[in-house]
Amino acid sequence: SQTIHQWPATLVQPVGSPLSLECTVEGTSNPNLYWYRQAAGRGLQLLFYSVGIGQISSEVPQNLSASRPQDRQFILSSKKLLLSDSGFYLCAWRASGGETQYFGPGTRLLVL
Amino acid sequence: DAKTTQPTSMDCAEGRAANLPCNHSTISGNEYVYWYRQIHSQGPQYIIHGLKNNETNEMASLIITEDRKSSTLILPHATLRDTAVYYCIVKSAGNNRKLIWGLGTSLAVNP
Repeated sequence: SQTIHQWPATLVQPVGSPLSLECTVEGTSNPNLYWYRQAAGRGLQLLFYSVGIGQISSEVPQNLSASRPQDRQFILSSKKLLLSDSGFYLCAWRASGGETQYFGPGTRLLVL
Repeated sequence: DAKTTQPTSMDCAEGRAANLPCNHSTISGNEYVYWYRQIHSQGPQYIIHGLKNNETNEMASLIITEDRKSSTLILPHATLRDTAVYYCIVKSAGNNRKLIWGLGTSLAVNP
């Protein structure tokens, strides 16, 4: 069966520091991968998605970036965090040719 | 930009059926209705989806009206662990990658 992992689970970072969040998927090949952010009390906002290695599409302009160095690895990064980057970051995968997205456990980021 | 409308909150007694409504009056012919739920501090969990026909799985039933402008998610015997925010989402089939998330319905199951 397929599983999706995210780490770290929680993170507290100072403003201006770099960020690297990792997501990995097991049990599937060539998945579509997604990064979402959820601000407190809000719905999910799609940040990036990827249909394959090295292929990244950005949904919103921001100081975040994403990379997909391996088929089942998706990384969310920032060179300098802002206070507004605080939130709950969720990675999701969808089988190639499938319809349903499945979510990871999330990373809660607090920027101080 | 959510295409769905849901009540902000609902209550349900433990053991009773929870019926969560969703309006999607502008739904297109090729758009599916998806339901997810999010328990506090966890990632969203897929529940069920449908196009035209009613659907049932081990978690819930989905009833879609004939005109497809609304649907109801039914949890037949709600438990305390079903307390969560329930999201109703419409999504086109195929390569459409976006799930447009609203604020969902916060369901409280009470003992």
